[in-house]
Amino acid sequence: DIVMTQTPLSSPVTLGQPASISCRSSQSLVHSDGNTYLSWLQQRPGQPPRLLIYEISNRFSGVPDRFSGSGAGTDFTLKISRVEAEDVGVYYCMQGTQFPCTFGPGTKLEIK
Amino acid sequence: EVQLVESGGGLVQPGGSLRLSCAASGFTFSNHWMHWVRQAPGKGLVWVSLINSDGSSTNYADSVKGRFTISRDNAKNTLYLQMNSLRAEDTAVYYCVRDLSGSYWGQGTLVTVSS
Repeated sequence: DIVMTQTPLSSPVTLGQPASISCRSSQSLVHSDGNTYLSWLQQRPGQPPRLLIYEISNRFSGVPDRFSGSGAGTDFTLKISRVEAEDVGVYYCMQGTQFPCTFGPGTKLEIK
Repeated sequence: EVQLVESGGGLVQPGGSLRLSCAASGFTFSNHWMHWVRQAPGKGLVWVSLINSDGSSTNYADSVKGRFTISRDNAKNTLYLQMNSLRAEDTAVYYCVRDLSGSYWGQGTLVTVSS
């Protein structure tokens, strides 16, 4: 199984400041079809997860443009350009390239 | 508007069975792969199972293989998860999820396995 790791596991951020979360996979996430099925999900307290970014860098419908994704192969990053209060929650990376699909442990974003 | 509504959760004794359902609307259900993902209280997300768009191919996490069965009825726009031989460690909120990317998630249904 592909193991997903995230750093940091907790990130206290000041409102209006940037935040960055890294995700690393134990194997390349490039699928035989050429796509890389790496997604970023946000889970606000008491809510189900919500897709933010798919295939490394594609912002999902309705996601603010302060969220961006980058990376390739085994190393990926989610960036928030200016953190807002509504961004508080846990962020997960997820790979769908190889079954079983696997998730990172989650990064808790909180406001300082 | 895409909607995924899970049902069928509840309290069950160890060794018991439950069948979860996920009613889909707002999109062409038969065009999409579907997953079940679970989350134990206070814990992270764990993938459980997936099924391709026409139901001909399925995949399971090792922890549920042989005990859980995923299926779908494209005529009824509904996804199912039959869970047998339930264990305490299966206690979790179970989410119905669309696509490999995780594009849409239901609100979840809580399964509690306890005597």
